[in-house]
Amino acid sequence: DLVLTQSPLSSPVTPGQPASISCRSSHSLEHSDGNTYLSWLHQRPGQPPRLLIHKISNRFSGVPDRISGSGAGTDFTLKISRVEAEDVGVYYCMQGTQFPYTFGQGTKLEIK
Amino acid sequence: EVQLVDSGGGLAQPGGSLRLSCAASGFTFRTFDMHWVRQSPGKGLEWVAFISDTGYSIKYADSVKGRFTISRDNARGSLYLQMNSLRVEDTALYYCAREGFGEVDYWGQGTLVTVSS
Repeated sequence: DLVLTQSPLSSPVTPGQPASISCRSSHSLEHSDGNTYLSWLHQRPGQPPRLLIHKISNRFSGVPDRISGSGAGTDFTLKISRVEAEDVGVYYCMQGTQFPYTFGQGTKLEIK
Repeated sequence: EVQLVDSGGGLAQPGGSLRLSCAASGFTFRTFDMHWVRQSPGKGLEWVAFISDTGYSIKYADSVKGRFTISRDNARGSLYLQMNSLRVEDTALYYCAREGFGEVDYWGQGTLVTVSS
């Protein structure tokens, strides 16, 4: 199975400051069709996960442009340029390149 | 608006069964692949099962293979998860989720399954 390792696992951030989360895969996530199915999800307490970024860097509908994704192969990053109060919660990376689909452990973003 | 409404969760004894349902609306259900994903209390996310748009391709996590069965009724716009031989470790919030863009894009609100004697 493809193992996704996130870091840090917890990130206290001051509002207005940037935040960055890393996701590293045990093997390349590039699919034979040329796409890399690495997405980022955000889960607020008591809510289902919500898709933020798909295929490394594509923002989903309604996601603000202060949130961005980058990377390739086995190393990926989610960046929030200016953290706002609504950004609190847990962020997960997820791979859909091969079955079983797998998730990172999650990174808890907290506001200082 | 895409909506996925999960239902059917509850309390079951070890070795028992439950059937989860997911009612889809706001999109052409028959053209989308679907998944079940679960989240144990206070824990991370675990993918459980996949079914293609036609139902011909089905995949399971090793942890549920042989015990759980995913199915769909495209005429009703519904997704199902039949869970047999339940174990304490199956206790979790179960989400149905749609696959779009080649990745999971919309999630239901979840239905809680508790396995306990």
